[in-house]
Amino acid sequence: DADVTQTPRNRITKTGKRIMLECSQTKGHDRMYWYRQDPGLGLRLIYYSFDVKDINKGEISDGYSVSRQAQAKFSLSLESAIPNQTALYFCATSDLGAGRTDTQYFGPGTRLTVL
Amino acid sequence: EDKVVQSPLSLVVHEGDTVTLNCSYEVTNFRSLLWYKQEKKAPTFLFMLTSSGIEKKSGRLSSILDKKELFSILNITATQTGDSAVYLCAAPFYNQGGKLIFGQGTELSVKP
Repeated sequence: DADVTQTPRNRITKTGKRIMLECSQTKGHDRMYWYRQDPGLGLRLIYYSFDVKDINKGEISDGYSVSRQAQAKFSLSLESAIPNQTALYFCATSDLGAGRTDTQYFGPGTRLTVL
Repeated sequence: EDKVVQSPLSLVVHEGDTVTLNCSYEVTNFRSLLWYKQEKKAPTFLFMLTSSGIEKKSGRLSSILDKKELFSILNITATQTGDSAVYLCAAPFYNQGGKLIFGQGTELSVKP
C-alpha cells in the first residue's frame, strides 16, 4: 500500500461548490503539506502543518482552508471553488524529528477541474 | 529573495546519451538540496544532498553539490526512454517550516 494516499484522484466540479481533498499517510510523519502545481509555475505551497495543533499558511492560501484531523490525516477545502483553482494538488509529508531528514514524500495527486 | 533555478528548461536527447541537468540556488540558511523525478504523476524522490563534493549515486544517476558556488548537477548516463520525465530540484526553506522551494523543472525527452 502507498504511504501517502489522496482522495479523490480526479474531480470535476462547478464554480461556487465546496470541495474537500483528503490526504492520509502511514509514514508516521509529523509534518504534512498541501501544494498545487500549475503548468509553468511549478509547485507552490498552500498550507503546512507541523502537528495536529499547528497549522500555517503557505504562499497561496487565499481561497483554501485545511483541517488536521489526526497525525495521519490532513484535508484541504475549497470553500467556494473558482476556475483558477483548476490544478494538480499534491499532499506531502516529512519528518523533521530526531533524524532531521528534509525529504518530503508526495501523494499521487488530485487533478481538480473547476468549470 | 530565496529561489531555485534550473537549466535547461527542456532537453531532447537520444538513447545512450549522457545528460547533465543544472540547479542553482539562493536560499537563506541553506541546509540541503533535493532532486525529484516527475513523470505523469507525483514527484518521486531521487537524492538529498547536504555536503559539498560528495557524489550521490543510484544506478545511472548521480548528483553532486557545490555549496561554495551554490549549485548542484544531476547526471544521467546511458539514457533510456524511461528516463523521460521532468526533473525537479528543490531546497527546504526553514523560515516557513521546511517548505520546499522548487525550481521550474527540466523536461527531459529521450528518443529511441
